[in-house]
Amino acid sequence: EAQVTQNPRYLITVTGKKLTVTCSQNMNHEYMSWYRQDPGLGLRQIYYSMNVEVTDKGDVPEGYKVSRKEKRNFPLILESPSPNQTSLYFCASSLSPPLAAYSYEQYFGPGTRLTVT
Amino acid sequence: GQQVMQIPQYQHVQEGEDFTTYCNSSTTLSNIQWYKQRPGGHPVFLIQLVKSGEVKKQKRLTFQFGEAKKNSSLHITATQTTDVGTYFCARGSQGNLIFGKGTKLSVKP
Repeated sequence: EAQVTQNPRYLITVTGKKLTVTCSQNMNHEYMSWYRQDPGLGLRQIYYSMNVEVTDKGDVPEGYKVSRKEKRNFPLILESPSPNQTSLYFCASSLSPPLAAYSYEQYFGPGTRLTVT
Repeated sequence: GQQVMQIPQYQHVQEGEDFTTYCNSSTTLSNIQWYKQRPGGHPVFLIQLVKSGEVKKQKRLTFQFGEAKKNSSLHITATQTTDVGTYFCARGSQGNLIFGKGTKLSVKP
């Protein structure tokens, strides 16, 4: 089954304790991205990756890191989480990067609800 | 500049009533996508519009792209409780997808 998986689905942690949220897709997609969703603010992009070893900042990258060493995986790293990073996080992938002229369908993972106390 | 504005932010309807959400941009859109997110779920792709004046239908859902390609709308005819959720529009840009803040639809049986 074609899908994007994320782990963990729920996480409660404390300020400053490094954590990683994993994301994996089995569709051989080139493009992957991370979003955070907060009430009233919609979906905001954190980082995206056009292909292996190619990553770039989205709208809200502060406090996050990513890596793309393999095509299928795109982990999100919070080196020193803070309470303002409490949010719902989604990983997404698509066949090719969105373009101004045309964008492919984004497939979203189930989400990771993170609470930082 | 590249943001897309969605209105309304919330809409409460009686089952059987129609519903419309609008997506507006100050600049010309090359393409617009629509997604639906059920409560507790993740966004799911509905459709993409590319051509000026384009109209596409999916059962009770009608999607339109404005002639000037600066706005788009999603209209649901005779809403059902299964239509509950948040509807997002998103514009393509070089390398990323920019989402509107969404319209949250609730349907009273």
